[in-house]
Amino acid sequence: NFMLTQPHSVSESPGKTVTISCTGSSGSIASNYVQWYQQRPGSAPTTVIYEDNQRPSGVPDRFSGSIDSSSNSASLTISGLKTEDEADYYCQSYDSSTWVFGGGTKLTVL
Amino acid sequence: EVQLVQSGAEVKKPGESLKISCKGSGYSFTSYWIGWVRQMPGKGLEWMGIIYPGDSDTRYSPSFQGQVTISADKSISTAYLQWSSLKASDTAMYYCVRRYGGTQGCDYWGQGTLVTVSS
Repeated sequence: NFMLTQPHSVSESPGKTVTISCTGSSGSIASNYVQWYQQRPGSAPTTVIYEDNQRPSGVPDRFSGSIDSSSNSASLTISGLKTEDEADYYCQSYDSSTWVFGGGTKLTVL
Repeated sequence: EVQLVQSGAEVKKPGESLKISCKGSGYSFTSYWIGWVRQMPGKGLEWMGIIYPGDSDTRYSPSFQGQVTISADKSISTAYLQWSSLKASDTAMYYCVRRYGGTQGCDYWGQGTLVTVSS
């Protein structure tokens, strides 16, 4: 079964840039779009990136997404970190008629 | 404004049945797939399945096939997730989501429905 692997946690200081990776277990991650969801504590998830690198309206351009076929991975980069960015982040893609989520990455902004 | 509004929290006993709902507004309900996502306490997100309200075409994750039923009533712009016999392991937060266009991903999320199953 296709899996997406994320680091369990990352931390960075306010104002800095952080990148969260999402690595596909097999095949080509570029074959299907990758989405990224943000879940703040106690809240429902929201979409911050869709179709690899597109931002929904209202999501600041500090959030960006990319695909690296050579490492079969997707990345979410957040620049100019703010304390409000502290949250769990999940990548998601598609395989064999099934949506697949990564295990999530806890971002701490300290 | 697109909104997905879910029904309230439920507390049930093992073996009981349950149907939770997700009402869409602010868009053409019959033109977008609606999916369901489970989040067990302290855990990550799991995709359960998806329905196209326009014709009720429904797909299930293999992990949830036979365990739940997804349905929709397009006349009232509402999707449903139901169980015929709950187990303690069904205790979780359940989110409905709107699939974004042709992408296999979502753009809008409901606020979640907490289901607690305990004797």
